[in-house]
Amino acid sequence: TQLLEQSPQFLSIQEGENLTVYCNSSSVFSSLQWYRQEPGEGPVLLVTVVTGGEVKKLKRLTFQFGDARKDSSLHITAAQPGDTGLYLCAGRHTGGFKTIFGAGTRLFVKA
Amino acid sequence: NAGVTQTPKFQVLKTGQSMTLQCAQDMNHNSMYWYRQDPGMGLRLIYYSASEGTTDKGEVPNGYNVSRLNKREFSLRLESAAPSQTSVYFCASSEAVAGGSYNEQFFGPGTRLTVL
Repeated sequence: TQLLEQSPQFLSIQEGENLTVYCNSSSVFSSLQWYRQEPGEGPVLLVTVVTGGEVKKLKRLTFQFGDARKDSSLHITAAQPGDTGLYLCAGRHTGGFKTIFGAGTRLFVKA
Repeated sequence: NAGVTQTPKFQVLKTGQSMTLQCAQDMNHNSMYWYRQDPGMGLRLIYYSASEGTTDKGEVPNGYNVSRLNKREFSLRLESAAPSQTSVYFCASSEAVAGGSYNEQFFGPGTRLTVL
């Protein structure tokens, strides 16, 4: 099983701080996604990256896919309490059908 | 659009009891999935259905069976529940095509199952 490892597992920060969370693997993915999950709800897709080195921005969130397509990062600028949640990365291998999920980074932003 | 719906939202079973978790999607997606989510382990795929009429095992299929009733509905059955099956179960759907470049999944709200 080719795993996706996320770090840190837990992050508690003050409103207004910046943060970066990471998603790493030893294998190459054809695409990588980031989901956010709020308590009591299912995950919701934030972004999909498919090209090595690709950077996508979603308001204060910046997503990057590694050049070798083995890793990804999510950077949040000026975090807000509404960013609180579980952030999951998920990858799909070339020619594969199933999506592999990381264990997630649980973010808590204090007002 | 309701998206992906799941019933029930909560369930408590005794060891050995059986039950079926229901899932339906109204997005005309071809593919549907069942995952379980446990603390520190992320989402693990139990079974999936790439298209109507087909089902395949995922990472953790033991103790479960599935039925793709039609394009909209995909059910998960626990024949003889065990405490190890205590988890949160999520159904998802997507317009995925095998060999396609990516697979955006839409998730239901989950079923919280406790087996005593």
